[in-house]
Amino acid sequence: AQTVTQSQPEMSVQEAETVTLSCTYDTSESDYYLFWYKQPPSRQMILVIRQEAYKQQNATENRFSVNFQKAAKSFSLKISDSQLGDAAMYFCAYSSGGYQKVTFGIGTKLQVIP
Amino acid sequence: ETGVTQTPRHLVMGMTNKKSLKCEQHLGHNAMYWYKQSAKKPLELMFVYSLEERVENNSVPSRFSPECPNSSHLFLHLHTLQPEDSALYLCASSQERARYNEQFFGPGTRLTVL
Repeated sequence: AQTVTQSQPEMSVQEAETVTLSCTYDTSESDYYLFWYKQPPSRQMILVIRQEAYKQQNATENRFSVNFQKAAKSFSLKISDSQLGDAAMYFCAYSSGGYQKVTFGIGTKLQVIP
Repeated sequence: ETGVTQTPRHLVMGMTNKKSLKCEQHLGHNAMYWYKQSAKKPLELMFVYSLEERVENNSVPSRFSPECPNSSHLFLHLHTLQPEDSALYLCASSQERARYNEQFFGPGTRLTVL
């Protein structure tokens, strides 16, 4: 079974600084997708960024980028120029299979300090 | 309405009550999901419906009963719940067999069982 591990329950970052959230996963599949989802307080969970396992190039979405290390089964999220609106729970997720069952990590709570 | 909506947003019920949670997606997707989100635990996938047929039931107690009358609507019928069932219940939808199968989440129903 696939597992997703987020070892940082909470993180904090100064506004405008850079922070990296860690995620590791375990799978025997060779083709899969990885995601980072953001869940702000009392707001909907939204997709931040995705990565296809067969792509070596790390995904980037504006201030968000990932460091995907397939051999190490590591998928970290880097947030540059952190903003107050980045404060949220961040969930790492893994997906494969016909209807794409998604396995989530336990989440990392990110605090942004003004 | 756009995206995925859920009603009610908050629900308090006694252990002997019967209530239903409603989810509606306006994205033209063909797969819908129920998740349970509890503090300090990964999201728990409860049920998956693909093309209006239940394709996954992750050992969920029978006091939770899903219903998917069409591809846009998903219900979760609740009866004789336990206090440990108190949690945030999230609905999500996706397009099965789409390249990424990104899941779009609703805002959730915060359920409290007294």
